[in-house]
Amino acid sequence: AQKVTQAQTEISVVEKEDVTLDCVYETRDTTYYLFWYKQPPSGELVFLIRRNSFDEQNEISGRYSWNFQKSTSSFNFTITASQVVDSAVYFCALSRGRDDKIIFGKGTRLHILP
Amino acid sequence: DGGITQSPKYLFRKEGQNVTLSCEQNLNHDAMYWYRQDPGQGLRLIYYSQIVNDFQKGDIAEGYSVSREKKESFPLTVTSAQKNPTAFYLCASSARDRVSRGGNEQFFGPGTRLTVL
Repeated sequence: AQKVTQAQTEISVVEKEDVTLDCVYETRDTTYYLFWYKQPPSGELVFLIRRNSFDEQNEISGRYSWNFQKSTSSFNFTITASQVVDSAVYFCALSRGRDDKIIFGKGTRLHILP
Repeated sequence: DGGITQSPKYLFRKEGQNVTLSCEQNLNHDAMYWYRQDPGQGLRLIYYSQIVNDFQKGDIAEGYSVSREKKESFPLTVTSAQKNPTAFYLCASSARDRVSRGGNEQFFGPGTRLTVL
């Protein structure tokens, strides 16, 4: 069975602080894909990143970075120097390699306080 | 601009009525999906379609129906059999990678918020 766990339900930090959102996944597949999506107050999910199971290199995109560790089945997301516009619900998700079905975690609601 | 449109943005339904939520995409994507989101919950898959004239049940299909007569359109009908339909509904689409067959990112529409009165 596949599962995605985001243990942090809600996080609040003051603007300019760094914040890490945790994601732990379970799968028996050797080929799989991991995703992060952002859901701002408007409701639409915005795709942030996709990682396949064979690529454990960390990724950095501006203030965003992702740490993928197969040894601990984790795919954590860090926002550096957070801004108020980063306030949103963030979802980690998992897809097996055989189709495009995605399993979502329950999300972490992030509040960036001015 | 390419994207996914959903209408209406807000929908109110009386108990016992069927309602249909619209989802259209001009991304030329083969696969389309419907999700339901409840407060504090992740997204749960209702139905998905990988090609025209074919669709499969997701995890919570009871009380819902879909059709896929055109590549661009994937309407969702919430029937009176759905006991607790008040929720936020999101439609998504993805391209199909002919080599890997899976793992493609999904792109989402703005959602429809359905309230049963």
